[in-house]
Amino acid sequence: SSELTQDPAVSVALGQTVRITCQGDSLRSYYASWYQQKPGQAPVLVIYGKNNRPSGIPDRFSGSSSGDTASLTITGAQAEDEADYFCNSRDSSGNHWVFGGGTKLTVL
Amino acid sequence: EVQLVQSGADVKKPGESLKISCKGSGYSFTSYWIGWVRQMPGKGLEWMGIIYPGDSDTRYSPSFQGQVTISADKSISTAYLQWSSLKASDTAMYYCARGVATTYYFNMDVWGKGTTVTVSS
Repeated sequence: SSELTQDPAVSVALGQTVRITCQGDSLRSYYASWYQQKPGQAPVLVIYGKNNRPSGIPDRFSGSSSGDTASLTITGAQAEDEADYFCNSRDSSGNHWVFGGGTKLTVL
Repeated sequence: EVQLVQSGADVKKPGESLKISCKGSGYSFTSYWIGWVRQMPGKGLEWMGIIYPGDSDTRYSPSFQGQVTISADKSISTAYLQWSSLKASDTAMYYCARGVATTYYFNMDVWGKGTTVTVSS
């Protein structure tokens, strides 16, 4: 089991807002990075640090953190946002990096 | 264009050795980390380890320490992931990715397309 816990599946209606969460003790001290992975493709970085988007990532993607939980929010979800989303941060020891188990996002 | 080109798919028998590669181009290879990530069929991403080609500083996830070896040859901008004795459970997709490390986060901003490794008798 991962030290970063994500809900296995989340759904959202087209055009609505969805929040995907990642919980872990290390998140009280470190930021999460977020990756989107579509079937048959390599992951893509969508959010890192406090709330930074790499070039080319739409501004409907945003990140936030509170206590032991980091969140990825998609404001106005599009059909092309349907994918698996993985958070990544340090483990509880702070010495290694781990991924969360992933959340499958379905856009209805 | 910044890219990472991984070696092709491989099929091996249990007990065989294997070394897969990841060649970087379009950026200063020695100034970024390279990370390796495993994805078993139908499963999530697993952090295996990272290497800084500039000084060969290498860090392994506890789950993979002793199971694989990560190395790099900066003269040809190539990182490697190798096994000395493969098991069927090593069957997976393996991704390399360029990494930027800070105290508070590690992000992988450029990914290779992945190398499929199949281990079967």
